[in-house]
Amino acid sequence: GAGVSQTPSNKVTEKGKYVELRCDPISGHTALYWYRQSLGQGPEFLIYFQGTGAADDSGLPNDRFFAVRPEGSVSTLKIQRTERGDSAVYLCASSRSGTGQETQYFGPGTRLLVL
Amino acid sequence: AQSVTQLGSHVSVSEGALVLLRCNYSSSVPPYLFWYVQYPNQGLQLLLKYTTGATLVKGINGFEAEFKKSETSFHLTKPSAHMSDAAEYFCATISGGYNKLIFGAGTRLAVHP
Repeated sequence: GAGVSQTPSNKVTEKGKYVELRCDPISGHTALYWYRQSLGQGPEFLIYFQGTGAADDSGLPNDRFFAVRPEGSVSTLKIQRTERGDSAVYLCASSRSGTGQETQYFGPGTRLLVL
Repeated sequence: AQSVTQLGSHVSVSEGALVLLRCNYSSSVPPYLFWYVQYPNQGLQLLLKYTTGATLVKGINGFEAEFKKSETSFHLTKPSAHMSDAAEYFCATISGGYNKLIFGAGTRLAVHP
């Protein structure tokens, strides 16, 4: 595709439920990133994939959060036992090979609301 | 650890006036620095970036930023604001040897007639 796409664009769930957020990166980009943006704040890093493997998951807040990228393209961010504090916009980005100076291209985000 | 600080969460300018959005960084190594813009209900879009070389960096939509090592700053400017520039602007750096972007808290720019 022409850009990074994310689905769904909005997700409303109840406290304690499980959610999956999907990211389709730009075709051919080996690096994929997830960020979380809470209201009034800048995005915060969650996890970085290089190919199929999670090269850096230091930003995941706890073990309720997990992400996969089984074929090195599409990625899914999974949140178990959601809490109201998980409400935020979840952003996905991709870059060509993952070097630090490369431009990261962002998707429009998934707005998650936990009631 | 690398970090960035954006001074001023809200900036308001008149159409045609100078835009100045401030960003200071903290880094023990030469930093990579970025400015991103976020329009309502859209993803982040790169305005410009500094990696190495020329310290004055020109970006899209008439924006530019100057890397000043002595001041640890990377302020974003535009000579004449347009109504379409109203958005949230984020300064960012790369953390250490990794590829994760570290963002500032953002500055919301309002442009009034």
